[in-house]
Amino acid sequence: DVKVTQSSRYLVKRTGEKVFLECVQDMDHENMFWYRQDPGLGLRLIYFSYDVKMKEKGDIPEGYSVSREKKERFSLILESASTNQTSMYLCASSSAGQRGEETQYFGPGTRLLVL
Amino acid sequence: GQSLEQPSEVTAVEGAIVQINCTYQTSGFYGLSWYQQHDGGAPTFLSYNALDGLEETGRFSSFLSRSDSYGYLLLQELQMKDSASYFCATPGGYQKVTFGTGTKLQVIP
Repeated sequence: DVKVTQSSRYLVKRTGEKVFLECVQDMDHENMFWYRQDPGLGLRLIYFSYDVKMKEKGDIPEGYSVSREKKERFSLILESASTNQTSMYLCASSSAGQRGEETQYFGPGTRLLVL
Repeated sequence: GQSLEQPSEVTAVEGAIVQINCTYQTSGFYGLSWYQQHDGGAPTFLSYNALDGLEETGRFSSFLSRSDSYGYLLLQELQMKDSASYFCATPGGYQKVTFGTGTKLQVIP
């Protein structure tokens, strides 16, 4: 079975702190994604990566950055956390495909509270 | 850009059939996926339609009509464990996927 793990299930941070969320997948997938999920807004793509050291902005990249130094690991960084970044953060991975139709496998999510 | 619209909530009775609709507007269309997410859980893949028509997987079926920019997920013989949120999603070209806002299904006895 594909396994995607995230470093924390719950996290509480203060405004202005630098926050690191880590995601690891064990299926040798080329693609990895970071989403945030908010009530009524569904899943919104923050960043994705299709290869080591490669990254692409999603729909809401402002206030976030990412790092992919190894194929299995994709990190989301909040440079200076703000209260409007309080959310559920979901990581996903998928194998390479031509048009993005491959199944995405999600981690359990990190619920971040910024005070 | 891509946008997908779903009803926010649906309630159905255990043992019944329920249909969750999804309409989309996309700049390029490759297919429609469906994911299920239980409260507190991760989304999990249910189905993918690349072509028009009905795809059946056990109690769940998914339908796509490209000409109508419309699809639906059909759940039969509803069980209490089917209470969850359901998301439609469409690839947006080269790895990117856009998700709908989700439909919260409540199954009642």
